[in-house]
Amino acid sequence: LAKTTQPISMDSYEGQEVNITCSHNNIATNDYITWYQQFPSQGPRFIIQGYKTKVTNEVASLFIPADRKSSTLSLPRVSLSDTAVYYCLVGGQTGANNLFFGTGTRLTVIP
Amino acid sequence: DTGVSQDPRHKITKRGQNVTFRCDPISEHNRLYWYRQTLGQGPEFLTYFQNEAQLEKSRLLSDRFSAERPKGSFSTLEIQRTEQGDSAMYLCASSQVGELFFGEGSRLTVL
Repeated sequence: LAKTTQPISMDSYEGQEVNITCSHNNIATNDYITWYQQFPSQGPRFIIQGYKTKVTNEVASLFIPADRKSSTLSLPRVSLSDTAVYYCLVGGQTGANNLFFGTGTRLTVIP
Repeated sequence: DTGVSQDPRHKITKRGQNVTFRCDPISEHNRLYWYRQTLGQGPEFLTYFQNEAQLEKSRLLSDRFSAERPKGSFSTLEIQRTEQGDSAMYLCASSQVGELFFGEGSRLTVL
């Protein structure tokens, strides 16, 4: 089971781009990389998923180098409402049965 | 609102009592997951269903815990003879392929 390592916390000012990097040295060939966001007293919410290179959606971008041993979640122009915990997970796309969340990265956006 | 509902949202009980949580997943999702989350930690996998079959259980799921998903629709998680260490947020998630959709969670406090 591939585990992940992320910074425990990050601070950023409003309007800045935030990059959160995740290490997953033991990622398997069929593993996807998925990021979730969690606000206090709520369940995690899917942000983005990718396998290789770059994926972009309306809220974030995900950069994955060729060796896939790490990935970077990029949040453009963060606002106060982006203050949350961000989790990086690796597993099979079609339902990794025991996705490992880890402790995540607590992002605090400062006005 | 993700479409996954959990009940009750909060439960306070005395040590030694039994508690049951219910999860109603998104109707077309065949996969259902239970996670447990304590303060400052990421969600920890407990168990996973595909339709009505319980396919995987974590070692965290002691014999005091039992989960069911009759008819492959809603699921229940029962904790017997609760202990103070069971105090946590119990999260349910469902999926079809790919991302997990989490409910708001059921917070358990054992006195």
